[in-house]
Amino acid sequence: KAGVTQTPRYLIKTRGQQVTLSCSPISGHRSVSWYQQTPGQGLQFLFEYFSETQRNKGNFPGRFSGRQFSNSRSEMNVSTLELGDSALYLCASRELSGNTIYFGEGSWLTVV
Amino acid sequence: GIQVEQSPPDLILQEGANSTLRCNFSDSVNNLQWFHQNPWGQLINLFYIPSGTKQNGRLSATTVATERYSLLYISSSQTTDSGVYFCAATASGGSYIPTFGRGTSLIVHP
Repeated sequence: KAGVTQTPRYLIKTRGQQVTLSCSPISGHRSVSWYQQTPGQGLQFLFEYFSETQRNKGNFPGRFSGRQFSNSRSEMNVSTLELGDSALYLCASRELSGNTIYFGEGSWLTVV
Repeated sequence: GIQVEQSPPDLILQEGANSTLRCNFSDSVNNLQWFHQNPWGQLINLFYIPSGTKQNGRLSATTVATERYSLLYISSSQTTDSGVYFCAATASGGSYIPTFGRGTSLIVHP
């Protein structure tokens, strides 16, 4: 089985722009969650989607949004980028009844 | 929410040495995982271990749920073991959102 696939791997954006990141889960996994990792805050939960519905949401401003498609692929969007949004964004998938989450390689976002 | 603390924050070893990483959590858990983050950023699953002991090659893990801690043992360390080790815990009865510790950064010198 292919693992969790995230695109793009690296990107540089300018403050004020928006960015969309994509995540394809492991085949058969219907739950997709997103995390932000920064040196200062560690790994922080952004949101989780299942069957195209957001099930849980972390403590992030409304500039951070996501969605999930019928094939379980997910996208997250960050609007009006700030310098502090520079981070590694990680996507993880799991079977809904599963105990183990599997991460993609992440998308490195730099905001300049 | 549940608090997860890892120690030590940093660890430097010579190749061949053994080490123990600790993860303390503040509430009862129904899920605890250990991950290794490689230098390229990917988090690799090591163990799913809400209780008991598991071994996988040179790595083993033990969780004592009643005392709210988990240990990850690395024996005969190799340079490829370098990276950051995270534990993630999910509180019993809560939503399935794991809380991650701040990690232990391990450097293994040849």
